[in-house]
Parts: sequence; structure tokens; C-alpha cells
Amino acid sequence: DIQMTQSPSSLSASVGDRVTITCRASQGISNYLAWFQQKPGKAPKSLIYAASSLQSGVPSNFSGSGSGTDFTLTISSLQPEDFATYYCQQYNSYPITFGQGTRLEIK
Amino acid sequence: EVQLLESGGGLVQPGESLRLSCAASGFTFSNYAMSWVRQAPGKGLEWVSTISGGGGTTHYADSVKGRFTISRDNSKNTLYLQMNSLRADDTAVYYCAKSAMVRGANFDNWGQGTLVTVSS
Repeated sequence: DIQMTQSPSSLSASVGDRVTITCRASQGISNYLAWFQQKPGKAPKSLIYAASSLQSGVPSNFSGSGSGTDFTLTISSLQPEDFATYYCQQYNSYPITFGQGTRLEIK
Repeated sequence: EVQLLESGGGLVQPGESLRLSCAASGFTFSNYAMSWVRQAPGKGLEWVSTISGGGGTTHYADSVKGRFTISRDNSKNTLYLQMNSLRADDTAVYYCAKSAMVRGANFDNWGQGTLVTVSS
């Protein structure tokens, strides 16, 4: 199984900050990497697929990069609605696996 | 607009069965793979199962293999998850998720989830 490891596990930041979350795969997954945002009590929301492609309707302050084993999600200027938990997910091979999540909190 | 509406969750005792449904609308259901993803209370996301658009290919997490069965009725635009021999560690919110293609697990839309509680 491919293990996905996110860092950090939690992060405190302020509105307007630039933040980066890292996701590392235990083996190469090409660009078969997605990012999701989840707010408390809500379903996940798809943000990015194919490592760097934004889902329709996702604000442009979100961006993704990487290939192979190392990936990043960057939020260029944090907005109040961006405080949430973020998950990466590999869909290169089964079983599908998620990172453990990164909780982004308001400083 | 894509809509996914799960139903069928509830409280069951260990060893019992439950069938979840996910009613889909707003897209051509048979053209896309569908999946179930669960989230135990206070925990992260865990993939459970995926079925191809035509229903001919299925995949399961080891934790549910042999106990859960994913299926779909493309004439009814509905995804199912038959859960047998339920255990306490199956307690979770179960989400259905739509893939962006006929195969694979590149999720682009999610339902709101249905809670399954396994407890005596």
C-alpha cells in the first residue's frame, strides 16, 4: 500500500498569510494526487486533482504542485473561510490512500 | 448541478447488516466511477470501495473485503453499499463520492454523508 504523509499535522496562521502544506508518498505516484478541504461537520470538498489542476469553482489563491513522491498545496493569501482541515489523496493505485490531514487554525 | 444524497445509516448491533444508498443527479451516472469513503468520529478519511461506471470492476479496502459489497443500478442512478458482519470499528460517517472518469478514484463531488453507528 502507498502511504501518504502530510506535514505539518497542524498549523496556525493569520488572514493574509501564505501557507504551504506538504504531502509525501511512500512510492512514486506520478501526478495522481488530489487535495481536499473539510470543515467541521461537513463533507470534504475537492480542491485540486492531477497534483496541480484546480477543480471548477475553487479560488485561484489555491495552488498545487509536485510529481512523483513530493507534493505541496499552497494558499497564497489566507481568507477566513480557508481555515479547515486539508487532506491529500493518491489515486495512482488501489488501495486508495489519504494523508492523515493538516488542521489549519487561526492564529 | 451534481447532487449526491446518501441514506440508510443508523444504529445497528455488532454482527448485523445495513445497506447504504446514494442517489445521484445532475450528471450521466453510468459514465462515472463511484466510491464510498468513510470517516470515523474525530479521525481522517478512509477509502472503502470503488465501482466502475458500468459496474463490472470493483475494489475494496482490506478492512471491509468479504464483508461489504458495492453495487450500482444505473437505471436508478443509485449507488449502494451492502455492509454485513458490522463491527464497532465500522462506526463512521459514510460518504459517497463521484469520480471524474468512468474508472478510478479521482473524486470531484461528495455527498453530505450518512452516519453508521455499530454498538450494542
